[in-house]
Amino acid sequence: EVQLVESGGGLVQPGGSLRLSCAASGFTFSTYAMNWVRQAPGKGLEWVSTISTGGYGTYYADSVKGRFTISRDNPKNTVYLHMNSLRAEDTAVYYCAPKYYFDSWGQGTLVTVSS
Amino acid sequence: EIVLTQSPGTLSLSPGERATLSCRASQSISSSYLAWYQQKPGQAPRLLIYGASSRATGIPDRFSGSGSGTDFTLTISRLEPEDFAVYYCQQYGSSPPFTFGPGTKVDIK
Repeated sequence: EVQLVESGGGLVQPGGSLRLSCAASGFTFSTYAMNWVRQAPGKGLEWVSTISTGGYGTYYADSVKGRFTISRDNPKNTVYLHMNSLRAEDTAVYYCAPKYYFDSWGQGTLVTVSS
Repeated sequence: EIVLTQSPGTLSLSPGERATLSCRASQSISSSYLAWYQQKPGQAPRLLIYGASSRATGIPDRFSGSGSGTDFTLTISRLEPEDFAVYYCQQYGSSPPFTFGPGTKVDIK
């Protein structure tokens, strides 16, 4: 059974930083691209970032480019999202998901950016 | 970047009725790399359809997807009480960004 467990969310002031983690199990992690998707309160889904299997290809939404960095540790079956220069509009539940169509989701981790 | 438009924004129907949801892309989506998701309040999204028409594991056959190019449709043949939710389409063609549509809410009439 595929399991994805996101962690690292919390309350942070504007301009601050957070690192999200997503621990994966139940599938061969190193053979799948991984993604972060977010959902602001009461809003729709927004793709945030994708990392290729080996970690050499990374892609970002324009809204986070230059501020967020995705990375992965294949031996630890974990993908990360390093978030810097956080803004109020980054407030959202952040989900990780494998592949390019997202057939598994975790419970998400809430990031709140507020003073 | 491919922009997805979903219509209608809200669909008010009764259990047992047929629901037809539309997703239109600003440019052709390669190889029909189009997915549909269902999301209920307080829950993570659930994959329903990928590749425009392939049902994900465990999805009932009352859900079907069709279309190609720029026009795609999700059909729910007979609405069950648990189908009232928000539905999103997403394109994952060629390379990122993998955009989502704004969603269609299916609510009880």
